[in-house]
Amino acid sequence: KAGVTQTPRYLIKTRGQQVTLSCSPISGHRSVSWYQQTPGQGLQFLFEYFSETQRNKGNFPGRFSGRQFSNSRSEMNVSTLELGDSALYLCASSFGTGPYEQYFGPGTRLTVT
Amino acid sequence: GENVEQHPSTLSVQEGDSAVIKCTYSDSASNYFPWYKQELGKGPQLIIDIRSNVGEKKDQRIAVTLNKTAKHFSLHITETQPEDSAVYFCAASIFLWDSGGGADGLTFGKGTHLIIQP
Repeated sequence: KAGVTQTPRYLIKTRGQQVTLSCSPISGHRSVSWYQQTPGQGLQFLFEYFSETQRNKGNFPGRFSGRQFSNSRSEMNVSTLELGDSALYLCASSFGTGPYEQYFGPGTRLTVT
Repeated sequence: GENVEQHPSTLSVQEGDSAVIKCTYSDSASNYFPWYKQELGKGPQLIIDIRSNVGEKKDQRIAVTLNKTAKHFSLHITETQPEDSAVYFCAASIFLWDSGGGADGLTFGKGTHLIIQP
């Protein structure tokens, strides 16, 4: 069974721009969660989508948003990029909603200049 | 919210020896505790998890123990091998076992860089 895939793997953007990241979950998984990983703050929960609905949200500003499609694929959008948004963005999928048995993708490395 | 402390930040052991990584959590309502291994350039890989109604769980060379009273849990790796070298993360969360779902995502510790010396 194929794992979680994320595209693109690397991205360089300029401050003030917006960016969209994509995540395809493991086949049969209906929940997609997004996490931000930085050296300073570690791994932090952004939000979770299940059946096209946002179920949970972490403590991030409204510039961070997401959506999920009917095939469970998910996108994450960050508007008005700031230098501090430079991070590895990880997507995790699970069969049901919630944090149980989440499997992570390889991540998208975003660099904001 | 939940806060997870993880120690040590770096752990160097001889190949074949055992390694122990410890975590403490703050929210007594947390009931699900997974451990992840992250290799360079890869996403975290789920290696073992434990629910709060269980005190210990083993999977070959890996075991996790949980002390709910003290609010701490530990990862034990025996007979360490070079391929065990990686960063290990503990996490805690509330999972609603009856209805599914949870109040939040995973709260992670800061990670332990495990180095296996040949």
